[in-house]
Amino acid sequence: SQQGEEDPQALSIQEGENATMNCSYKTSINNLQWYRQNSGRGLVHLILIRSNEREKHSGRLRVTLDTSKKSSSLLITASRAADTASYFCATVLYNFNKFYFGSGTKLNVKP
Amino acid sequence: DSGVTQTPKHLITATGQRVTLRCSPRSGDLSVYWYQQSLDQGLQFLIQYYNGEERAKGNILERFSAQQFPDLHSELNLSSLELGDSALYFCASSEGQRNEKLFFGSGTQLSVL
Repeated sequence: SQQGEEDPQALSIQEGENATMNCSYKTSINNLQWYRQNSGRGLVHLILIRSNEREKHSGRLRVTLDTSKKSSSLLITASRAADTASYFCATVLYNFNKFYFGSGTKLNVKP
Repeated sequence: DSGVTQTPKHLITATGQRVTLRCSPRSGDLSVYWYQQSLDQGLQFLIQYYNGEERAKGNILERFSAQQFPDLHSELNLSSLELGDSALYFCASSEGQRNEKLFFGSGTQLSVL
């Protein structure tokens, strides 16, 4: 990966459970974003957290950022079968010219 | 629908050939990014254009080139194709230079046989 790595690579849970995926990155960033990709489709932006923020919420999504550890986590609460997708973190450098994506976490939510 | 249009959706070609992938950004977006997604390497940043000018380069091979035209559409040219170039190629667009979110097209699936 050019910048970030997600962990785990794959996650399988039951509907109603929470899903947590992590992202680690290498260099200083302006912000970190999470995207979702349904199989074979384009990525869709979910949430953005800036380098001076520690936590952010959007609906059932909660994102945390620890710049000292260069890591972020995405929590999806009360998961649904429709949440089945791959989730990618993207780190945005200060010049905003490069969005570096990790290799993704493949989430399978069983009904 | 993100508003970003990529054509063609699928492309099958042979080794050694040259292809052109096309991207029309969302109306009003000035920045275009190209990414390559393959199974073993995730999503790799290739190149970014802003209002017709190249702004950033990632791991783009010398056999690949891109440009953004005055009407803001962009083309990615892949030449001397190899089997390993088989991948899903995405275009994404955003409004300006200091961008907070990317809008992705649905991709072009390139198969090199």
